[in-house]
Formats: sequence, C-alpha cells, structure tokens
Amino acid sequence: RKEVEQDPGPFNVPEGATVAFNCTYSNSASQSFFWYRQDCRKEPKLLMSVYSSGNEDGRFTAQLNRASQYISLLIRDSKLSDSATYLCVAHSSGSARQLTFGSGTQLTVLP
Amino acid sequence: DVKVTQSSRYLVKRTGEKVFLECVQDMDHENMFWYRQDPGLGLRLIYFSYDVKMKEKGDIPEGYSVSREKKERFSLILESASTNQTSMYLCASSSRGDIQYFGAGTRLSVL
Repeated sequence: RKEVEQDPGPFNVPEGATVAFNCTYSNSASQSFFWYRQDCRKEPKLLMSVYSSGNEDGRFTAQLNRASQYISLLIRDSKLSDSATYLCVAHSSGSARQLTFGSGTQLTVLP
Repeated sequence: DVKVTQSSRYLVKRTGEKVFLECVQDMDHENMFWYRQDPGLGLRLIYFSYDVKMKEKGDIPEGYSVSREKKERFSLILESASTNQTSMYLCASSSRGDIQYFGAGTRLSVL
C-alpha cells in the first residue's frame, strides 16, 4: 500500500464548477500536509500548507481529517488556468526524508 | 524568492556514459533532494542531503550517487547510464524540513 494515495483522475470539469480531490495517508505520525500544483512538463510548486484542521486561500480550501487520515482539496469556481496535476504531500518530522508525495490527480477545466 | 537552478533542461546521453546533473540553490538551505518522476509512479526519492558532505539513500538509490561538497550545490551522478534511467529528474531544497522548493527539472533521455 502506498503511503500517500490519490485518485489519479483525470477529472474533467466545466469552467465555474466546484471540484474536490481526496488523499489518504497511512503514516499516523504525519504531522503536516501540503498540496502542490504541477503544470505539464514543469516542476511542482507549493499551492497550500495544512498544519491543523484546514486552510483556505481564495477559491482553494484544504481540509485535514486526522481521525480518518485523509486530506481534501476543494476548488471553487474553476478556471481554465487551474488545469494541472495536484500532488498531495505528507510530512513526518521524525523522518529524515521529510516528505512523501502522492502520485497526483490530474484536473482539466474545460471551456 | 527561492531559486533552485538545474544545469540542464534537456539532456541526451548514450548507454554507458557517465552523467552529471547539477543543482544549485541560493537560499542557504541545509537540505537538498534528488527525485525522479515517471508517469504513473509519481515522485520517487533517489538521494537527499541534510548537510555538506552528508548524504542519505532514498527509495531508489541503485545506479546513482551524489556529491555535496558545498552547501549550495548538490550533484546527481549516473556512473553508467542505462535506458531505464530515462526520466525527469527534479532537484529540491528546504530549510525547515517541510516545504520543498523545486528546480525546473532535467529531462534525461538515455539512448
């Protein structure tokens, strides 16, 4: 079983739609989480950090459920420019390697 | 802004060649990482370093070595390139041990 699991998608949604991605993690020692965004053939870039129960930044909301060991990312009012792969990442402070990445969820926002 | 610079965006090498991938960061980060990214497999950690001259194996170190002689520079070495090392290679750095900043990546093709 992968340490961080995501539905690979693809998610194809119309512009203006609300879309949600879920991510589960297996290491209960994971303390903080991140969502990275990766455009096609580019490097991953930090989208949001999740240190407690959740975080909101404009159209993006991340929520953390420690009891069920999952993190979600909600995107409201989707834009064409939101098309990308979204990587769920877990951080365990006791681990020297530090971050564990999910394989990513691909989102395409259609006009 | 954090800047992580990888020496080449695209590289084509022949089987058996020795390959050097260079990565430089300008933020005085202690930690540096090398990943490879392949379709369907996500980001996989090859090696990381938490200090000058220190290195730790990641999940897939076989066929690779690294060098960190200076804090800002972390090199990945393929001693004898093979076709199964054709991939996208990503370098990252971090200071506090959670958020990692990535370089633009090197797309390596081994023929």
